Amino acid sequence: DAKTTQPPSMDCAEGRAANLPCNHSTISGNEYVYWYRQIHSQGPQYIIHGLKNNETNEMASLIITEDRKSSTLILPHATLRDTAVYYCIVRAENYGGATNKLIFGTGTLLAVQP
Amino acid sequence: DGGITQSPKYLFRKEGQNVTLSCEQNLNHDAMYWYRQDPGQGLRLIYYSQIVNDFQKGDIAEGYSVSREKKESFPLTVTSAQKNPTAFYLCASSIARRQFNMNTEAFFGQGTRLTVV
Repeated sequence: DAKTTQPPSMDCAEGRAANLPCNHSTISGNEYVYWYRQIHSQGPQYIIHGLKNNETNEMASLIITEDRKSSTLILPHATLRDTAVYYCIVRAENYGGATNKLIFGTGTLLAVQP
Repeated sequence: DGGITQSPKYLFRKEGQNVTLSCEQNLNHDAMYWYRQDPGQGLRLIYYSQIVNDFQKGDIAEGYSVSREKKESFPLTVTSAQKNPTAFYLCASSIARRQFNMNTEAFFGQGTRLTVV
């Protein structure tokens, strides 16, 4: 699985958009980009994932560059409850094929400020 | 409700004792995973299993053992050979094979905090 690089920490003002970057320059064609977050002392929570196209759900938007070497997770209106460590993960998956192990990096600590 | 359950939430053991952490899921997931997290660190993979009666070592398997006798259960034993067992342990599950319109995201338990004294 490709390695990802994220900034160790970021600040964001409450109510503003939080844009969390992730570099995955060695990503392969069958590797998906996943984002999870972990609030202190809890299990990680799935946020969103994508392969090539931008994705949006009720929690966030995922923007993947055309060359797929980087992506950005966008929380459109950050709240204090969004303070957490955000993990960007790439994982090889093929339809009908076995999914690979899920490898986490150190993530980005997002601190939402009042 | 469907979910993944780890028990207990806090566990204390004396040095040199083996201890088994429980992980149960009722999501009908084939794949299950165990991670270890140390303070201020990311998650490190200990063991994972794609199917019943099969499992593979992750990055830090030494001093740990697992079994996968049932689809719902993936217990982790921290043996006396593990030099630094005090940590936060997380279990996760997911479907094992991507199918059309099915997501393979992992669902995590709330973790077990093991302290060895």
